[in-house]
Parts: sequence; C-alpha cells; structure tokens
Amino acid sequence: SQQGEEDPQALSIQEGENATMNCSYKTSINNLQWYRQNSGRGLVHLILIRSNEREKHSGRLRVTLDTSKKSSSLLITASRAADTASYFCATDARSTGAGSYQLTFGKGTKLSVIP
Amino acid sequence: EAQVTQNPRYLITVTGKKLTVTCSQNMNHEYMSWYRQDPGLGLRQIYYSMNVEVTDKGDVPEGYKVSRKEKRNFPLILESPSPNQTSLYFCASSLEVVGSPLHFGNGTRLTVT
Repeated sequence: SQQGEEDPQALSIQEGENATMNCSYKTSINNLQWYRQNSGRGLVHLILIRSNEREKHSGRLRVTLDTSKKSSSLLITASRAADTASYFCATDARSTGAGSYQLTFGKGTKLSVIP
Repeated sequence: EAQVTQNPRYLITVTGKKLTVTCSQNMNHEYMSWYRQDPGLGLRQIYYSMNVEVTDKGDVPEGYKVSRKEKRNFPLILESPSPNQTSLYFCASSLEVVGSPLHFGNGTRLTVT
C-alpha cells in the first residue's frame, strides 16, 4: 500500500531558486527517508530522518518532519540544473506480519531546474 | 566498490517463458527487496527479505517468486511472465531491517510480449 504521497507531482524552477517538496503519510512511522532518481536509474539515498527528529541538514538539503501532521518537506537551496531529477519520500511501517517491516515509497515529485 | 548488481539490464521475452533476474550485494546487508516502477504508480514493493531464508510478500507479489539462500543474493523469478509484468525492476539492500538507507541496483527493464 502506498504510504507516502509527494506534492507537487511536478515542479519547474529557475537555477538558483529554492525547491520545496512535501510528503504526507498516513500511519505512524519509525523514520522517513528521501531519495533521488535520475531518469531511469536506480534511486540514491539523500537523507534519513527519525521520528524523534524535527529537522536535518545535508549540504544544500534540508528536511523537516512534523509527526503531528504526518508530513515532511525537502528543501533544496540554490538549485542547479544537475538537481533535475525525481524525488521520492519513503516511510517504514510495521506490516501485518509480526516483526515485519516494509519501506514504501510515494509516487515522487519530478523537479526540473532550468539553466 | 560497495554496490548492488542486477542482471540483465534489459530483457525482452515472450509470454510464459520463465526468467530470472539476478541481484547480488557485496555489503553484507541483512535486508534485501525487489520493487517495480511503473509510470503513474511509483515504486511498489514485490518481495523483501529480512535475512537468509526469510522472505515476505510486499504489495504486489502475484506472479513473482524469490529466494534468499545466501545473504548476498536475492533473485527474482517470473515463472510464467505476462505482458502486465512489463516494467522497470529494482533490487535494493540495506544494512539493517529498520532505519538504514536502501542501496539500489541500476534496474532491469523488462518487456514481455
């Protein structure tokens, strides 16, 4: 079942601008992760934020997590053409089987950064 | 180099002809998983494995089989492929079951005619 949902589905910005993508999810989570995918390639991990954390930074990336609203945001500052990619959030949640965990992905936000 | 290796990269086959997509990781990871990616549907989990000889169904397991006889390998088997299994497939692994980043392979683009 799809847990996370990214918003917007597509985003087009000029180089140098900031890009913000949002992720909403339905059930309690242990942690939330953001991934990037260049067209047709494997996903690359960007940031993992745990349920007891509110904000995390990595270079030009800033991720926030609001567990009361069941939402997260990914901010890319000073975007570059090379940031053009699809971005996915992923959440892990206990599945119906005892002791089983699944990492489920949203459908992604397609970011285009125009030079 | 630490990596997840999937083969083949591209595969065209006919309905009903059994095939196997191999996946191997060299990072001694506990957790491995298969996803399929389709336009408009995102990534959907097919099967996952929390350790050797432990596998579990994901969201879309119908028509697929997996095995985890060794820690490093997690092949995906399509016993009788059908056109609706045409998709882009990804294998991924992580050090631990919970709270570890997934490392993805480069994908296998499968076409079933």
